[in-house]
Amino acid sequence: QQQVKQSPQSLIVQKGGISIINCAYENTAFDYFPWYQQFPGKGPALLIAIRPDVSEKKEGRFTISFNKSAKQFSLHIMDSQPGDSATYFCAASISDYKLSFGAGTTVTVRA
Amino acid sequence: GAGVSQSPSNKVTEKGKDVELRCDPISGHTALYWYRQSLGQGLEFLIYFQGNSAPDKSGLPSDRFSAERTGGSVSTLTIQRTQQEDSAVYLCASSLNSGGAAGELFFGEGSRLTVL
Repeated sequence: QQQVKQSPQSLIVQKGGISIINCAYENTAFDYFPWYQQFPGKGPALLIAIRPDVSEKKEGRFTISFNKSAKQFSLHIMDSQPGDSATYFCAASISDYKLSFGAGTTVTVRA
Repeated sequence: GAGVSQSPSNKVTEKGKDVELRCDPISGHTALYWYRQSLGQGLEFLIYFQGNSAPDKSGLPSDRFSAERTGGSVSTLTIQRTQQEDSAVYLCASSLNSGGAAGELFFGEGSRLTVL
């Protein structure tokens, strides 16, 4: 049973557009919510992370929005670039231990 | 090395054979994880090692799977009597610590296992 549900499975966006990926969780004990980015043939790499004491975190073109009451969080990629084409995984854990990952979203940015 | 190193990068084996996958974590990282990534699926937790503590084996799918970590560094994941459903990419990750602020996992590039 997947503890973190991620959608959509894939999306295509034009260069300069906004990519939005959504995740939902059930376990209210989760207190760490990272996003990982994976390019083909590579291992996932940490992109950005948030803890539930804030509702939004921005790093460059990447923003996490967090809604604790709805148990949802999302990743927004602003001004999407072809180099952003990758698979994105949301995850959640209790105190940074044993991350539970979503199923992943494949993002394709068309030039 | 600078990152997490995994070997072999690719392994093709016949059903029923045993395989060993190796992981060299980043030097100084005390936590080590194995995850499995099947086609179109997310990352499935398999096992977790932290320092000298007993490993968390709660994610191992069957008793055909086992793992060890020697000297708090290198880890080997062993799959006995492989089945076709074991075909996947096996990812190893390490982190500086468990708990506190050091939550970032550093992943290797994975070992792709194909069971014929």
